[in-house]
Amino acid sequence: DQQVKQNSPSLSVQEGRISILNCDYTNSMFDYFLWYKKYPAEGPTFLISISSIKDKNEDGRFTVFLNKSAKHLSLHIVPSQPGDSAVYFCAAKGGNDMRFGAGTRLTVKP
Amino acid sequence: KAGVTQTPRYLIKTRGQQVTLSCSPISGHRSVSWYQQTPGQGLQFLFEYFSETQRNKGNFPGRFSGRQFSNSRSEMNVSTLELGDSALYLCASSPSPRGRTEAFFGQGTRLTVV
Repeated sequence: DQQVKQNSPSLSVQEGRISILNCDYTNSMFDYFLWYKKYPAEGPTFLISISSIKDKNEDGRFTVFLNKSAKHLSLHIVPSQPGDSAVYFCAAKGGNDMRFGAGTRLTVKP
Repeated sequence: KAGVTQTPRYLIKTRGQQVTLSCSPISGHRSVSWYQQTPGQGLQFLFEYFSETQRNKGNFPGRFSGRQFSNSRSEMNVSTLELGDSALYLCASSPSPRGRTEAFFGQGTRLTVV
């Protein structure tokens, strides 16, 4: 059951430009959303989160936007850096449940 | 504070064998979740334990089981291994399954079934 979907398996952007990663969810019970970043041979590390009572949360170069009516969230990285190249997972949490998307592989080219 | 520790890091098993993976959560965290990561499938939820009780379970066959001990350490067992079980198994800990808190992941156990 794909309750959290990341429809783009990969994304390539030029250094200095904006990276936009998208995520859709289906379960209305989800009320907390997170983005994780994963490098090869490492576990995912927490990046940024947003509660359902907000529509935007910013932390340095990273901003997460939440559109509850569309059940859609996005992660913006500005400016993108080569070190941002990794797999990004979105996650949605509600009740006892936490589900992850399939991930988007971001490549930032110098 | 020590992070989430998973052992072993790498494991090679043959079909039909069984395997046990271990996860030690961050001190004070009582919720432990297990995920399977395979290429193209993202993080598939296996199960979640809180206070020694399984609170949630994903869509995996009964060959996959787990438990949690009183010190919150958790083990995951896979019996009658199949080639398709080859994956990275990740454990995540959090203070509780509820609430607006993030989960912290270990480095994972890379299981290869031959």
